[in-house]
Amino acid sequence: DSGVTQTPKHLITATGQRVTLRCSPRSGDLSVYWYQQSLDQGLQFLIQYYNGEERAKGNILERFSAQQFPDLHSELNLSSLELGDSALYFCASSDGQGSNQPQHFGDGTRLSIL
Amino acid sequence: AQSVTQPDIHITVSEGASLELRCNYSYGATPYLFWYVQSPGQGLQLLLKYFSGDTLVQGIKGFEAEFKRSQSSFNLRKPSVHWSDAAEYFCAVLYPGNTPLVFGKGTRLSVIA
Repeated sequence: DSGVTQTPKHLITATGQRVTLRCSPRSGDLSVYWYQQSLDQGLQFLIQYYNGEERAKGNILERFSAQQFPDLHSELNLSSLELGDSALYFCASSDGQGSNQPQHFGDGTRLSIL
Repeated sequence: AQSVTQPDIHITVSEGASLELRCNYSYGATPYLFWYVQSPGQGLQLLLKYFSGDTLVQGIKGFEAEFKRSQSSFNLRKPSVHWSDAAEYFCAVLYPGNTPLVFGKGTRLSVIA
């Protein structure tokens, strides 16, 4: 058990809809990272937050947004969903803001767009 | 562009046999290097990491990896594979500066009796 909790585990929705994925980091970790894993693209970094502030941005679409709340949990919002957004979305956390801190991953949210 | 290459998409080994998974990275300076394992339906678990120092790194579950600067490689090894090692293995690198982890495409390991 990594200590990182992601909910829900599975999400099935339709094109055009909006969903919110939730992540609770390990106790004491200030950084949260979001990744998308798909068969064709592999693991892609989306965005990082540190102590409530955005720290780094990767291949995140404009339809996607994230935030980290004062209690350090984070949410990833995906809107105007397309079939290609079907993927496994991972959250990871680390105790520092530098990426050289080992990241601990949750079990992911599997998003299926019908 | 910064990249990580795992040349083998799928490897099958017999239980008890030795294992080597390859990883090459592209960059002039030495990045931080990681190996993660992903079991079906699970997240990624850190096996080991290399930041500096001894180029042979010991990890969990009996895995080790060797950093070879001259070959820009960080191959993962295990002397004797167990059936429970069947999983997807990802090499990841972190380059200087506040940049995110870059993952390879992964190598799927199957273990046969």
